[in-house]
Formats: sequence, C-alpha cells, structure tokens
Amino acid sequence: QKEVEQNSGPLSVPEGAIASLNCTYSDRGSQSFFWYRQYSGKSPELIMFIYSNGDKEDGRFTAQLNKASQYVSLLIRDSQPSDSATYLCAVWVGGFQKLVFGTGTRFLVSP
Amino acid sequence: DVKVTQSSRYLVKRTGEKVFLECVQDMDHENMFWYRQDPGLGLRLIYFSYDVKMKEKGDIPEGYSVSREKKERFSLILESASTNQTSMYLCASSLTTVRSGNTIYFGEGSWLTVV
Repeated sequence: QKEVEQNSGPLSVPEGAIASLNCTYSDRGSQSFFWYRQYSGKSPELIMFIYSNGDKEDGRFTAQLNKASQYVSLLIRDSQPSDSATYLCAVWVGGFQKLVFGTGTRFLVSP
Repeated sequence: DVKVTQSSRYLVKRTGEKVFLECVQDMDHENMFWYRQDPGLGLRLIYFSYDVKMKEKGDIPEGYSVSREKKERFSLILESASTNQTSMYLCASSLTTVRSGNTIYFGEGSWLTVV
C-alpha cells in the first residue's frame, strides 16, 4: 500500500463548478497535511495546510481532514480555468522527518 | 519571501559523467531536501539533511550522494550518470519541524537529461 494515495485523474469540471480532490494516507502517526498545486513544468506551490480534524477555509479553497478515516480532501469552489493544474497531497510523517507526496490529481477546468 | 535557488535549470549529460546539482536557500532553514519527480511516480525523496554535514537517505538514494558543507547549500551528486536518472530534480528547504505551516519551500527544479 502506498503511503499517500490520490486518484490520478484527470478530474474535469466546467468553470464555476465545485470540485473535490481526495487523498488517503496509511500512517496513523501523520501529523500535518498539505496541498500543493503544480502547473506543468513548474515546481509545487503550497496552497493549503491542515493539522486538526475538520475544515479549514482559505478563499475558494477548503481543506478537510478526517484522521479517523485517514483521508484529507481539497474542495475548490467556483473553479476557474487558472485552477487547471496537478494537485499534490503531502503528508508529514514526523517520526521519519519527511514529507511524503501522493502522485497527484490532474485537474482541468473548461471555460 | 523564501527563496530556494537551483543554479542549473536544464542540463544534458552523457552516461557515466559526474553531475553536480546545486541548491541554495536564503532563509536559514535547518532542513534541506532533494526530490526527483517522474510522470506517474510523483515526488520521491532522494536525500535530506537536517544540519550541516548531516544527511539521511530518503526512499531512493541509490546512485546519488549529497553534500552539505554550509547551512544554506545542499548539493546532489550523481557519481556516474545513467539514463534512468533522467528526471526533474527538486530541491526544497524547511524549518526544523514541518508542521502547522512550517512548510517546505521548493526551488524551480532542474531538468536533467542523460544521453
């Protein structure tokens, strides 16, 4: 079992739609969770982090964490074509001092 | 603004050559990381360092070595480049513990092609 799993997609939505990107992780000791956005040919950029169960909102983005079920999701409201990118879920495994990434979900927003 | 600079953005090297990828960060971060990213495999950790002259193997250290002589600089070395090391290499840095927003900041990446 991979440590961090994401559906590779692509997840395609029309402009203005709500989209949910999901991620599951295997290590129950994981402490912090991150969502990175990566445009083609560019390096990842952080868009959200969350470490407590529940929701965390930042503009059009909401991160949701459920530690009991070991999943974290990213909700994107009012999707824009500029949101089209690969979204990487990352989990900080404190015991090993490393950030483990999923393979990413390709997200496409059509005008 | 945190700045992580990878000096070589695009390199083409021959099989068997020794390759150095340099990374410098300007935020006095303790931790530095080298990842490689390949289609369908995501980001995989090669090596990381949590202090000067300290290094730890990541998930795929074979064929690589690292050097951290100064806090701000972390070098990735391919002793004898092979074609399966063609990839994008990402350097990153962070504060001591990555939690609660003390996140990892990435450089712009180095695209290495080994022919």
